[in-house]
Amino acid sequence: NAGVMQNPRHLVRRRGQEARLRCSPMKGHSHVYWYRQLPEEGLKFMVYLQKENIIDESGMPKERFSAEFPKEGPSILRIQQVVRGDSAAYFCASSQTGGIGEKLFFGSGTQLSVL
Amino acid sequence: DAKTTQPPSMDCAEGRAANLPCNHSTISGNEYVYWYRQIHSQGPQYIIHGLKNNETNEMASLIITEDRKSSTLILPHATLRDTAVYYCIVRGDMDSNYQLIWGAGTKLIIKP
Repeated sequence: NAGVMQNPRHLVRRRGQEARLRCSPMKGHSHVYWYRQLPEEGLKFMVYLQKENIIDESGMPKERFSAEFPKEGPSILRIQQVVRGDSAAYFCASSQTGGIGEKLFFGSGTQLSVL
Repeated sequence: DAKTTQPPSMDCAEGRAANLPCNHSTISGNEYVYWYRQIHSQGPQYIIHGLKNNETNEMASLIITEDRKSSTLILPHATLRDTAVYYCIVRGDMDSNYQLIWGAGTKLIIKP
């Protein structure tokens, strides 16, 4: 049973380009969460999605960032017109349900570097 | 802001018990203590959690003081693969796990 799969593992973009980060949840999981991590810091919640729905986007920057989790295919975190401050590790997690206490399983992350 | 305080780093000899402390002096009665770890270049991994009683699983033991203001994660026989950043996080019983507030954790280095 494959775990949470994220790709690419490393992504390099120049300022102004778009970054697309993909996350395939564990089999049977329909809840996906995105986090950002700066060096030497803990994870910061960005957005929680269920299939075709955004449940909580309280951690998402208001501009340039968007996320989707279509009926078919992986969840996508999209960053438009990237800036150097977007350089970070982006982690995706999934859970079977969205219940309180539900365990999250994390992917290995995508390291985004903006030149 | 994180509700917990952890030392930024610790060393432990391979084969010995690693004891990682965590202060959560403002914890309330309905808040759980969770421990995760993050091995370099990987996503966080759940270790253990508890409310009042001490807990043990195949990975670790969690000792919570009687007043619940602090806890200790114990890795009984540390191996080199246990080198990681360990996060102690407090979660309310009405909060979902995705809402955990992550601090900087303790960087544990296991030395041969």
